[in-house]
Amino acid sequence: EVQLVESGGGLVQPGGSLRLSCAASGFSFRTYAMSWVRQAPGKGLEWVSAVAGTTTSTYYADSVKGRFTISRDNSKNTLYLQMNSLRAEDTAVYYCAKGFATSVRGAFDIWGQGTTVTVSS
Amino acid sequence: DIQMTQSPSTLSASVGDRVTITCRASQSISSWLAWYQQKPGKAPKVLIYKASTLDSGVPSRFSGSGSGTEFTLTISSLQPDDFASYYCQQYDSYSLTFGGGTKVEIK
Repeated sequence: EVQLVESGGGLVQPGGSLRLSCAASGFSFRTYAMSWVRQAPGKGLEWVSAVAGTTTSTYYADSVKGRFTISRDNSKNTLYLQMNSLRAEDTAVYYCAKGFATSVRGAFDIWGQGTTVTVSS
Repeated sequence: DIQMTQSPSTLSASVGDRVTITCRASQSISSWLAWYQQKPGKAPKVLIYKASTLDSGVPSRFSGSGSGTEFTLTISSLQPDDFASYYCQQYDSYSLTFGGGTKVEIK
């Protein structure tokens, strides 16, 4: 069964850091682009960051550029999101999503269940 | 960045109704558009990609059309399971963007 399982969310103070993980199973992880997509409470979906399959090129939304870092460990079939200098507006459910293909320019066919990040003092 | 504008933001309809949701892109995205369905507390699920290709297992009452800057998602006969939020997403550029969403409510 193709599956993505996120972890690492929690409550963090403004300015703090958090690292999210996404464990993948049931498909050839190294081949596919992977993304993080977030959803603030009561709001719509916002793409955060992506990493390509094979080339591992990375891409970021302007709202997180310079603060967040996406990475992947193909030996562990795991995607990461290192989040630094967190702000209240980063509060959201963070989803890990698998792309249809190697390129990040694609739709998402598999999503995790999400992990909640709350930035508050 | 390419902006995606969905309309309406909320739609009230009855079981059996034909429903159409529109998504407009701020510049041409060819056919690089996907549609997702999301139910409360759940992850989104892809319905359609490349503007009109139905994903595996998606009921045939869902259809997508359009190219360039204007796209539509149509549900031919609304079923109880279809009451949910719907989002479009463009993937023409390396900065992916979603529309603001359309909530389909029971009339």
